[in-house]
Amino acid sequence: SQTIHQWPATLVQPVGSPLSLECTVEGTSNPNLYWYRQAAGRGLQLLFYSVGIGQISSEVPQNLSASRPQDRQFILSSKKLLLSDSGFYLCAWSVLRTSGVNEQFFGPGTRLTVL
Amino acid sequence: AQTVTQSQPEMSVQEAETVTLSCTYDTSESNYYLFWYKQPPSRQMILVIRQEAYKQQNATENRFSVNFQKAAKSFSLKISDSQLGDTAMYFCAWVSPNTGNQFYFGTGTSLTVIP
Repeated sequence: SQTIHQWPATLVQPVGSPLSLECTVEGTSNPNLYWYRQAAGRGLQLLFYSVGIGQISSEVPQNLSASRPQDRQFILSSKKLLLSDSGFYLCAWSVLRTSGVNEQFFGPGTRLTVL
Repeated sequence: AQTVTQSQPEMSVQEAETVTLSCTYDTSESNYYLFWYKQPPSRQMILVIRQEAYKQQNATENRFSVNFQKAAKSFSLKISDSQLGDTAMYFCAWVSPNTGNQFYFGTGTSLTVIP
């Protein structure tokens, strides 16, 4: 079965510090990978998605970046965090099933607080 | 551009009663998939139910069922025999193979089940 891991679960960082959030998927190959941000009580904002190693699409211009060094690894980074970067970050993966259904599954999330 | 609209930010229902959450979407695509996700207080996103647009039959999963009206671009979720564990944020989502694997989410409906 497939599983998705995110770490850390919780992070408190000062303004201006760097960020690295990691997401890994097990039990599948060549998944599409996604990073979302969810502000408190709000919906999901798509930040990045990737259809393959080294292929990153950015949806929202900001001080965050993403990388996919391996097929099942997706990393969200920042060189200098802003207060507005606080939120709940969700990693997700999807794969097109033989049935034709494209489903998306989520990791447990990382709660980031920037002080 | 594709949009997904959830017009009910908050709803409540008495335990054991039935509630319907609404979702509408806008697209010119004919081949797409629709999903309802549940996000309980733990914030883990859980896939509740899926619907393929080419299927006329409404999807059902135990107490959860959908009313899919393709012409009206409506995709509502009905929860029967509501339970306390159904208290969560519910997100409607849309994806099409023709638009590059990007999922579009609504802003969510916060459902509270009252004992």
